[in-house]
Amino acid sequence: AQSVAQPEDQVNVAEGNPLTVKCTYSVSGNPYLFWYVQYPNRGLQFLLKYITGDNLVKGSYGFEAEFNKSQTSFHLKKPSALVSDSALYFCAVRDDGSARQLTFGSGTQLTVLP
Amino acid sequence: DTGVSQDPRHKITKRGQNVTFRCDPISEHNRLYWYRQTLGQGPEFLTYFQNEAQLEKSRLLSDRFSAERPKGSFSTLEIQRTEQGDSAMYLCASSPGTGNYGYTFGSGTRLTVV
Repeated sequence: AQSVAQPEDQVNVAEGNPLTVKCTYSVSGNPYLFWYVQYPNRGLQFLLKYITGDNLVKGSYGFEAEFNKSQTSFHLKKPSALVSDSALYFCAVRDDGSARQLTFGSGTQLTVLP
Repeated sequence: DTGVSQDPRHKITKRGQNVTFRCDPISEHNRLYWYRQTLGQGPEFLTYFQNEAQLEKSRLLSDRFSAERPKGSFSTLEIQRTEQGDSAMYLCASSPGTGNYGYTFGSGTRLTVV
């Protein structure tokens, strides 16, 4: 079985400050990890993924995420937040076995305050 | 537009009626997924197709739900005898058959059962 936990329902940060959105996961094999962003009444938009290799992954719009195997975490980060980053963020995981579907966390609402 | 298209964007129906949603994936993607998202939650897996074959179905997919992908291109999701608990956003996603890619999501169909 695979699962994802996003421990914070809401994250508030001031514009220009660094942001972190937390994610921990559980899989039986090696993890494939993803971050998606969702704007109101829209589908999910891909931000970045970790499959293998460098633990620091860079993605769209200046976002990056750090894979930490010992802590089973994949936190999303950005050095300087923009008001336009305000949205709902989802972490997702699948293992490297036969399962094809992604399992998503419950989401974290990010609000960047001007 | 080369993205994933879903139709309709919104559907309001009376309880007990049948509804059908359509998804057109990215043309070169042979994997297609249906997810359901309720307010405040992450997307939940419903079913998965590889070409025209339906390979996985979630326990969430009751007997009232049926999905098809007859020619391995577009897919339909039908809900029979709708219930108020079916109100949700229904998301379709597609991915290539090879490689470790994330999904490309459509904008979703929002179903409201009154």
